[in-house]
Amino acid sequence: DAKTTQPPSMDCAEGRAANLPCNHSTISGNEYVYWYRQIHSQGPQYIIHGLKNNETNEMASLIITEDRKSSTLILPHATLRDTAVYYCIARTTGNQFYFGTGTSLTVIP
Amino acid sequence: EPEVTQTPSHQVTQMGQEVILRCVPISNHLYFYWYRQILGQKVEFLVSFYNNEISEKSEIFDDQFSVERPDGSNFTLKIRSTKLEDSAMYFCASSLPPGGQYQETQYFGPGTRLLVL
Repeated sequence: DAKTTQPPSMDCAEGRAANLPCNHSTISGNEYVYWYRQIHSQGPQYIIHGLKNNETNEMASLIITEDRKSSTLILPHATLRDTAVYYCIARTTGNQFYFGTGTSLTVIP
Repeated sequence: EPEVTQTPSHQVTQMGQEVILRCVPISNHLYFYWYRQILGQKVEFLVSFYNNEISEKSEIFDDQFSVERPDGSNFTLKIRSTKLEDSAMYFCASSLPPGGQYQETQYFGPGTRLLVL
C-alpha cells in the first residue's frame, strides 16, 4: 500500500470548514483512499473513502486530485466533537489498514 | 445503526495469565480483524479471519495469540501467557468480504483496554 503523508496537527475554528490534506504520491491505480478518525482512545471511526471521483456523505467530503497524488478531507462545519486524530490510508483491495500517525485536529471554540 | 461491540471494556491481569477478549461483529459481516494500539502509538494490525481461518497475520501475532469464532456471533482473541508489553487497547473490526467498492470498509469496536501487571 502507498505511504501517505499528513501534517501532524491542525487547528480549526468551530463552525468553519476543516480541510485536512493528505499526500499519497505513490498511490497505484487500484488503491482506494480511506479516511478514519479516532476520538481520544476510542475505536477508529470510518468517515469516507474514494478511488478517483470526489465523494460526499453525511460526515464529510473527499476531494481527490486528478492525478490522485493527494486528497483533502473536508468537514464542512467543524464542531468541538470533531476534535480527533484523522488518518488517511491508501489501501489495496484485500489488505489490512495501515494506520500512520495521522493529523491531530483541534476545533477551537 | 449496527455496530461492533467488545467485552470487557477493561481487563487487568497478571503477567503470565491467559486472557480472552471478546467481540461481536456486525451481523452480516464475514471478515473479522484484531488490531492493537499501545498507549501513544499507532494502531497496528494483528490478524484477519475469514471462513473460519486466519487469512492474514502480522509479525506481532505470534504463537501466544490465537483467534476463534466459537459460535455464530462471537469472535475472540486469546493471549495465552500475557507479557507486560501486551498492555494496549485491542480493537476488533469487521467488514463484508471483498467484491465491491463498499464491501471492505472496516468498522471498529470501542476496544478493550488490557493492562498486564
